[in-house]
Amino acid sequence: QSALTQPPSASGSPGQSVTISCTGTSSDVGDYDYVSWYQQHPGKAPKLMIYEVSKRPSGVPDRFSGSKSGNTASLTVSGLQAEDEADYYCSSYAGSNNFVFGTGTKVTVL
Amino acid sequence: HLQLQESGPGLVKPSETLSLTCTVSGGSISSSNYYWGWIRQPPGKGLEWIGEIYYSGSTYYNPSLKSRVTISVDTSKNQFSLNLSSVTAADTAFYYCARVSGMLDIWGQGTLVTVSS
Repeated sequence: QSALTQPPSASGSPGQSVTISCTGTSSDVGDYDYVSWYQQHPGKAPKLMIYEVSKRPSGVPDRFSGSKSGNTASLTVSGLQAEDEADYYCSSYAGSNNFVFGTGTKVTVL
Repeated sequence: HLQLQESGPGLVKPSETLSLTCTVSGGSISSSNYYWGWIRQPPGKGLEWIGEIYYSGSTYYNPSLKSRVTISVDTSKNQFSLNLSSVTAADTAFYYCARVSGMLDIWGQGTLVTVSS
């Protein structure tokens, strides 16, 4: 299983929106609605931000939203805030109780 | 609330076996709704799925690591463990344990394991 493809970096000014793509195949992203997104600050463990494509865990701001079309999933962060600066990883179920992660995107708040 | 904590040696010699344990507190590892997984992240790089285990002992591994990985569970201690054999410098990474249910919703803080002589 190959890693899902994400852009290495994305940026936006405070208050703006940024969208991160996550491209897989018909064997992972395209075949299952178990796409999740994780935020990771330096030196910290990843934190679940979106699950099952577009659902938010309790406590995650509604500025974070997810979607999927075909083999590509997306995470949008609206109303960017300084604390949103972090690395973001997507993940998809890939069948046979296996998961695959994305390559990661560094989000910079300008 | 549920917490996970990794423990084990921070330094392992090449060709030896890396062994880590994840202790689950604030809840039971025997819950029928969840699997328990291991993920790793080389310093400065991305995340890699290692595998998962159900409380009954059923295991599932990343095909790329399958020949070297063993995950086990001890329900009496509310722990699950990772063994990775024949390690090389490429296995140097932060190792995380997590609760799995179609997503990884609770993570341990992670532990750095360095492979070096």
